[in-house]
Parts: sequence; C-alpha cells; structure tokens
Amino acid sequence: DAGVTQSPTHLIKTRGQQVTLRCSPKSGHDTVSWYQQALGQGPQFIFQYYEEEERQRGNFPDRFSGHQFPNYSSELNVNALLLGDSALYLCASSLPIPQETQYFGPGTRLLVL
Amino acid sequence: AQSVTQLGSHVSVSEGALVLLRCNYSSSVPPYLFWYVQYPNQGLQLLLKYTTGATLVKGINGFEAEFKKSETSFHLTKPSAHMSDAAEYFCAVLRSGGYNKLIFGAGTRLAVHP
Repeated sequence: DAGVTQSPTHLIKTRGQQVTLRCSPKSGHDTVSWYQQALGQGPQFIFQYYEEEERQRGNFPDRFSGHQFPNYSSELNVNALLLGDSALYLCASSLPIPQETQYFGPGTRLLVL
Repeated sequence: AQSVTQLGSHVSVSEGALVLLRCNYSSSVPPYLFWYVQYPNQGLQLLLKYTTGATLVKGINGFEAEFKKSETSFHLTKPSAHMSDAAEYFCAVLRSGGYNKLIFGAGTRLAVHP
C-alpha cells in the first residue's frame, strides 16, 4: 500500500517566480492538508482540502493556493515567490474525522534564491 | 486558541539512558494530542496519539506518553535510548472545530551518544 507521495523532492526557484507542488494521498484517504516547515521550526498549517473544496485555511497570504482533483490528489501553488518561502512543504492525508491520524509525505524542499 | 510548547530545543542522552521529551499544551476543550518523529530529510512519522480513554499511550519503537490534564502535559518517554532514536520530535495538538488541523510545537532535537 503506497503511502503519501510528493513531487518533486527538491526545487530551486528565483524570487517572483511561481511554483506548483504535487501530492498523492494514501490509498483510501480523501482529505489532504498542506504544511510549511521552515528550517528549525515546526510545521505550520497552510490549508486543507476535502471534496475538492478548501475546507480550512491557516494564516498564509493569497499567494498560496491549492486544488484537489477528483482522485483526491492535490496541488499547492505559490505565486510571486519570496525568499521567506524557502521551506520544506509537507502534504498529509487522512479521513475527514478529527481524531484520525494524518499521514505525512516526505516533503518537497523549496529553495528561493 | 490552542498552542503547544516543547521545553528544550535540544536534548542529549547516552545510549541506554531514559529519554524524556517535554510537551505542554493549551486548549479550552479536551484535546487530541500527537507525537511525531522526523528523521533527517524525511517527512513526519506518527509515534503515538491520545484521543480519549487511557491516559498512558504506548507507541512505536518503545515510546510512550502520558496525558495529564491537571498539568496540561503530554511528555514523551522511552526507558532506554538507542542510537537510532536520534531525530527531531514534534508534539502536536489537534485544533478543535471539527477539522483535523494540527498545531505543532517547535520541536526537540534528540541526540544519542555512545
């Protein structure tokens, strides 16, 4: 059973560019959450998708947007990249029940120069 | 608002010694609490979680944690450290409101020396 997968593993962009990160959830999961983990910090919640809708959003600007497809996979898009967007971006999948475990992917490490 | 505080950004123990990683939370409602581990260049792996029921929770790799409501704590312990336990450990609380949004602490880096 494949776990959560993310692509690409690493990415280098320059300021002002746009980036798209991809996530495939664990089999049987229909809820996808995205987190940003800056160096030396804990993950910060960006947003969550369920039934192709953004269900909840953290304290991130509108430059961060997402999408969920009918097969439950998801994309995270970041526009007008800033140096401060350099981080590990983690995708987590789960069932849409609060106490259900979120399973994390290996992450995409984004470096903005 | 819910929050998590992990006391000690770095903890160093000898192989075979007790591991104790501290976590305190704030929550206005009974919380769901989690411990995750992150090995270098990897994502997060669930060690254990508390939702309801028994306050002593056993997880993988010999770790356990005890939910103490009176102390608002959820400390992680392991009786005997192994070299392979060296990693970053994150405590998290589930934000109430019906959705499973995790709020993480800043993490504790555990070093195990021979």
